[in-house]
Amino acid sequence: EVQVVQSGGGLVQPGGSLRLSCTGSGFTFSNFWMTWVRQAPGKGLEWVANIKQDGSAKFYVDSVKGRFTVSRDNAKNLVFLQMNSLRDEDTAVYYCAREYKNNDDSFDYWGQGALVTVSS
Amino acid sequence: DIVLTQTPLPPVTLGQPASISCRSSQSLVHSDGNTYLSWLQQRPGQPPRLLIYKVSNRIAAVPDRFSASGAGTDFTLKISRVEAEDVGVYYCMQATQFPPMYTFGQGTKLEIK
Repeated sequence: EVQVVQSGGGLVQPGGSLRLSCTGSGFTFSNFWMTWVRQAPGKGLEWVANIKQDGSAKFYVDSVKGRFTVSRDNAKNLVFLQMNSLRDEDTAVYYCAREYKNNDDSFDYWGQGALVTVSS
Repeated sequence: DIVLTQTPLPPVTLGQPASISCRSSQSLVHSDGNTYLSWLQQRPGQPPRLLIYKVSNRIAAVPDRFSASGAGTDFTLKISRVEAEDVGVYYCMQATQFPPMYTFGQGTKLEIK
């Protein structure tokens, strides 16, 4: 059974840092792009960042470029989102998802989400 | 950047059909000929769940009362007979513009009358 399970999240002050983790099981993790999507309280979905199978390509939404870094450890089936210089507007539930890119490009399995609250 | 605009949905009576529209500011036909438009469902308190990929392909676990269609800039998700478990927010998402980015519609809330 394919599963995506997240950990991390919490309360952090503006300007602070936080790292989210996400592990995949039930599939060959190293064969898939992984992506991060966030949802501010009461708002819609916003794509944040993704990373290629071998980590050689990474993409970010403009609002997090230079502050967030996505990485992965395929030996441990883990993907990370390092968030620095956090701002109030980064407050959101962050979801990790598997990307399916075999003649398609969709997010087919999602983690449960991790709440990040940026507040003083 | 591509903007996806979804229409609001008035409350629906159980057993009645529902239709959600998603309009793109640009054609979603990719240079490879595919159209990377998907639909996701987010039930209250739950993560999103993929329903439809590449315009009209339903995920295996999704009930066949869900269908989708469209082309170019106009897309529709239809539910033939709404059930209580369908309550939630529905999002369209485009992947045609990746790289560098993906875009979601603002979401359409489905409520029962």
